[in-house]
Amino acid sequence: QQPVQSPQAVILREGEDAVINCSSSKALYSVHWYRQKHGEAPVFLMILLKGGEQKGHDKISASFNEKKQQSSLYLTASQLSYSGTYFCGTERENDYKLSFGAGTTVTVRA
Amino acid sequence: DAGVIQSPRHEVTEMGQEVTLRCKPISGHDYLFWYRQTMMRGLELLIYFNNNVPIDDSGMPEDRFSAKMPNASFSTLKIQPSEPRDSAVYFCASRPFSAGEQFFGPGTRLTVL
Repeated sequence: QQPVQSPQAVILREGEDAVINCSSSKALYSVHWYRQKHGEAPVFLMILLKGGEQKGHDKISASFNEKKQQSSLYLTASQLSYSGTYFCGTERENDYKLSFGAGTTVTVRA
Repeated sequence: DAGVIQSPRHEVTEMGQEVTLRCKPISGHDYLFWYRQTMMRGLELLIYFNNNVPIDDSGMPEDRFSAKMPNASFSTLKIQPSEPRDSAVYFCASRPFSAGEQFFGPGTRLTVL
């Protein structure tokens, strides 16, 4: 079942912060985050395993609340290069496929 | 490593024609995934393989779609006959057994007229 992402779109000015949420009705083993630029393939950002682990990648970080089956992606001090569509992909235990959310389009303006 | 390789990058065909999309995964990766991306349906998994064996094809839309992986370095997705509603970007991705990250190929943009 497809996870639910919110918001659908967000517009930021450089330096502003944003949070993207991803929730699932199923028990998850991991949550993956990808960013896709227009006309390109999705690019892996990070993976979070069950256990509430938080990870960071430059000024992009994420958390995973295993009890709520929710993950959040944090864009801090956004840069123009952060523009794109962000997808969360959820994986269940012993099931190596990902179900992707509908995506959140982030536009960062100067 | 060259990454996941897909061909062709663009395909334009007429309704009723057979279409074959090709994928070369990253060497040493155990899993291969085929996805389809459209504005309406988003990024959806069609089928995935583990060590060349199809594991889950529940996402394959109908019998017109078939996928094969004859060896560890090559996979095909075939649509026969093609229909305009098959127009989409088709991605192939691979991942190693030990890690969850999937590496996506550049995609094939299919247009069925």
